[in-house]
Amino acid sequence: DAGVIQSPRHEVTEMGQEVTLRCKPISGHNSLFWYRQTMMRGLELLIYFNNNVPIDDSGMPEDRFSAKMPNASFSTLKIQPSEPRDSAVYFCASSDRSNQPQHFGDGTRLSIL
Amino acid sequence: AQTVTQSQPEMSVQEAETVTLSCTYDTSESDYYLFWYKQPPSRQMILVIRQEAYKQQNATENRFSVNFQKAAKSFSLKISDSQLGDAAMYFCAYRSGERDDKIIFGKGTRLHILP
Repeated sequence: DAGVIQSPRHEVTEMGQEVTLRCKPISGHNSLFWYRQTMMRGLELLIYFNNNVPIDDSGMPEDRFSAKMPNASFSTLKIQPSEPRDSAVYFCASSDRSNQPQHFGDGTRLSIL
Repeated sequence: AQTVTQSQPEMSVQEAETVTLSCTYDTSESDYYLFWYKQPPSRQMILVIRQEAYKQQNATENRFSVNFQKAAKSFSLKISDSQLGDAAMYFCAYRSGERDDKIIFGKGTRLHILP
């Protein structure tokens, strides 16, 4: 089992640029979660999907953030335009039934200069 | 809404000693699951242990065990024979068994292991 795969592992870009983070969940998992982690705010849930449908996006900070899940094996989190305060580690996680824990990817460390 | 509270932002323990990390939660549900995750400096989120609310027996995984007090809504993690590799941030988490829903995380406890 390959686990949750995120790319890129690190991203450094200039303010104002578009950033796209990618996630491949574990095959067979029907729930996918995007988190942001910073020292100040800890681990924040941004959005999650069940069966490719966004269920709760109340954690998305603002309109600059968008997430899609076009199929069961792929999701993207996009920031456009990016700002320095978006610098954080972004995690993707997936799970199957509700009695199962989430499995996390290794995260993407994003730095906006 | 469910909440998870970890009241100890940081803790330290001497190597080989035992330490207990606290977690309390609030819910009106009777069917749910509780988890402890470990996040070492490598930043990976690693599942340490899970507990089903319907089980009275406390879960155990090698040196890690929980004290699950359902009536008190408490779910503490005990680490026995602490090792340097146990140094990490530990997150307590709750997931509903009644709804296909998100996991709710506590804010974490940073554990330092003193050699």
